[in-house]
Amino acid sequence: SQQGEEDPQALSIQEGENATMNCSYKTSINNLQWYRQNSGRGLVHLILIRSNEREKHSGRLRVTLDTSKKSSSLLITASRAADTASYFCATARSNDYKLSFGAGTTVTVRA
Amino acid sequence: SQTIHQWPATLVQPVGSPLSLECTVEGTSNPNLYWYRQAAGRGLQLLFYSVGIGQISSEVPQNLSASRPQDRQFILSSKKLLLSDSGFYLCACPGQNTGELFFGEGSRLTVL
Repeated sequence: SQQGEEDPQALSIQEGENATMNCSYKTSINNLQWYRQNSGRGLVHLILIRSNEREKHSGRLRVTLDTSKKSSSLLITASRAADTASYFCATARSNDYKLSFGAGTTVTVRA
Repeated sequence: SQTIHQWPATLVQPVGSPLSLECTVEGTSNPNLYWYRQAAGRGLQLLFYSVGIGQISSEVPQNLSASRPQDRQFILSSKKLLLSDSGFYLCACPGQNTGELFFGEGSRLTVL
């Protein structure tokens, strides 16, 4: 079953702007991950944040995790046309790789 | 680094016909393997996972089955497809860093 829910469902921004999307989940987790999916392609792992971490950075990506609110956010700074994709959060209750995915946020970056 | 091959990439099948989707992994040995399905506009749902040859665990009751005849081969099958089996099927294995999954490019199944 889907544990995570992303918000908003869709986001359209101008190139150079920042994009922020949120993920809420229902049960306790071991870690939370974000993935990107270009149209018709497989998913690509972006970043993993563990339950004892609050913030993590990777290049232009910044992820926060608030376990008290059971929520996470993904920020993409200085967006580019190539960032156009769907972004999914996924939660893991343990280290068994059995991830529960949300329905995703579709991001469109306009040139 | 690992590579996942999935085929066929696209498949259109009539209701009631059989199905076989294949996933082959390179660059890693004895991996855990996973089949996920993505319905249109939705997230991914875990269908099956395997920790080794002949070992299959099903996550949801359904019309599909999985098999692992070889260490790096994972097959998704059905004897009689339903309309609701339409979707994008993704095979995955653990990535290079602990906790992350590495996905293949998927097989898109349309049942008519």
